[in-house]
Amino acid sequence: DAGITQSPRHKVTETGTPVTLRCHQTENHRYMYWYRQDPGHGLRLIHYSYGVKDTDKGEVSDGYSVSRSKTEDFLLTLESATSSQTSVYFCAITHGQSETQYFGPGTRLLVL
Amino acid sequence: GENVEQHPSTLSVQEGDSAVIKCTYSDSASNYFPWYKQELGKGPQLIIDIRSNVGEKKDQRIAVTLNKTAKHFSLHITETQPEDSAVYFCAASRGGSQGNLIFGKGTKLSVKP
Repeated sequence: DAGITQSPRHKVTETGTPVTLRCHQTENHRYMYWYRQDPGHGLRLIHYSYGVKDTDKGEVSDGYSVSRSKTEDFLLTLESATSSQTSVYFCAITHGQSETQYFGPGTRLLVL
Repeated sequence: GENVEQHPSTLSVQEGDSAVIKCTYSDSASNYFPWYKQELGKGPQLIIDIRSNVGEKKDQRIAVTLNKTAKHFSLHITETQPEDSAVYFCAASRGGSQGNLIFGKGTKLSVKP
């Protein structure tokens, strides 16, 4: 998984509660990405980061925020979780200037 | 907006047969086209990729072809094996945006022994 870890790997939470997912990488990659994966939709980009404190929105960013205070960690926050945010969340990185993305193992989130 | 369409959504073949998955893209600025394999409970794994200055690329039993004029690209798997069973995703780079990819919705490939 290209030196990427995600935590937690599984989480069950209730509607309206805040949730933070963590992506951690050990190889000093500049670019990091958060995706969600849902049946029938493939992988959709939520937010991405191109450096410490540099982030931008993807195609499905509503209801999500991100932070990157250090190179190795990229956090995804659901300020007030909704059932529509039940999904599998993947973090990805790219090596240097390459466009190739490598994915982490995923976090399965269930919002009741 | 830009999108990538992938067909078929499911594909069942006999072991030893070939499998072909096709994708079309809409962004004329796309210049990078990776293919990922995802096994149950795991993250997508890159299996092959191609850039717009190349028409075909092979890696053992896997090949990818690209037709820029028609804006479509295909994955070819020859001599399929049961361990090839997985979900396959195509993707295209989003023009002008470093590393951003647009994914197809996936093809579930089943290889029957």
